[in-house]
Parts: sequence; structure tokens; C-alpha cells
Amino acid sequence: EPEVTQTPSHQVTQMGQEVILRCVPISNHLYFYWYRQILGQKVEFLVSFYNNEISEKSEIFDDQFSVERPDGSNFTLKIRSTKLEDSAMYFCASSDTTGNTEAFFGQGTRLTVV
Amino acid sequence: QKEVEQNSGPLSVPEGAIASLNCTYSDRVSQSFFWYRQYSGKSPELIMSIYSNGDKEDGRFTAQLNKASQYVSLLIRDSQPSDSATYLCAVNPGNKLTFGTGTQLKVEL
Repeated sequence: EPEVTQTPSHQVTQMGQEVILRCVPISNHLYFYWYRQILGQKVEFLVSFYNNEISEKSEIFDDQFSVERPDGSNFTLKIRSTKLEDSAMYFCASSDTTGNTEAFFGQGTRLTVV
Repeated sequence: QKEVEQNSGPLSVPEGAIASLNCTYSDRVSQSFFWYRQYSGKSPELIMSIYSNGDKEDGRFTAQLNKASQYVSLLIRDSQPSDSATYLCAVNPGNKLTFGTGTQLKVEL
């Protein structure tokens, strides 16, 4: 069964460092998303991406964040200068053509900023 | 004002019973509604989607939607210990999902 894959599963980084989280969405999906979940809190939307551009972003997704689809399969989230409060689980998700249908999540990357 | 509200629980039911999970939402433009299951430390797993008023059944799961009341529910019949997890209600007011805080379900032997 097709699935969304994310790497790494766990990343520890020092405050102020840049991190790149990687995702391979389901191959025939065209809408891609990043969400995050701080420990004990709800899943929060960060950004959606379609046709090689951001289609929507939340207030959380400030200038420290960027997304990219560098090739035909990968979708990345970059955090330029990490802060302690960026520590969370980051989930990539994808959905098919309409963007208003079921979204499937990857297993997540646990980011720990120390 | 919270956009998606759920009772955080825990909701405890005995094995074999029906578990009833509820969710209300505030954004009337939402057209798609989803239930995800999340085990501790894992990612959300889609278990049900519903788009029109009424009931939708899939195996032991039934989703119910009432757009006039802005209410979505999930019934789990014949609850099993493996159903113990947090159930997330999500609505799609556009090109994103807005999640509730989730209801923790515990199915007791």
C-alpha cells in the first residue's frame, strides 16, 4: 500500500542551527502538507503546497520556515534558525488531485532543539 | 474561539461495547470531515471520511454528520483493546485540515 515516508525519524539539533526535514509523498498525489504537533498538544497546520508553490500557510509558518520540492519525489521543510519552541513532531501529508479529500500522513520526524 | 472542539476524555468503555466520540466545529464553510486515530508517539491514521449529512459505515466504524448543528460523531461498535488510542476530529475549511485536541479512548478488558 502506498505510503508517505519521512526522514529522519528523529533529529536533535542545537538552537540556531538549520534543519531540513524530508518527505516522499504518495507518488500520484499532488497536494503536500506539513503539520506539527508539540508534545501533548493538537496537530497544527503549517503549510500546503501545490503545483510548485505554497497554496496556504499558517501564522506559525514565518520567515524561518520554507518548503521546497527539489525533484519529482521529495518534499522538504527547512527551518533556518531553530528555536527551543520548534521542538515537536513534524508530519508530512499528501492528498490527491482536489486537495479537499483524504490526506495521508507520514510517520513523522521528532525534532528536538537543545 | 476554538475551531474544532472535542472532549479530551479519557472515555472508558468495556470491551465489546459501543464507543461514541463527538466533535463540533465552528467554520460553516467546511465541507469535508475526517476521523483520525493516533496511537501514542505515532502519526495520525485516517479511519473515516464523511462529506454529506447522515451516516457512513465502514466495518465497525460509523461516522455521522449534521452540518446544520455543526456536529460530527464517530461510533465504534464491538470495541477492542486495540482501539485504545486518541481519536482526532479534523475538518477541511479549505486546503488544510484543522484538528481538534482529540478524545482519548480506553477500552477495558
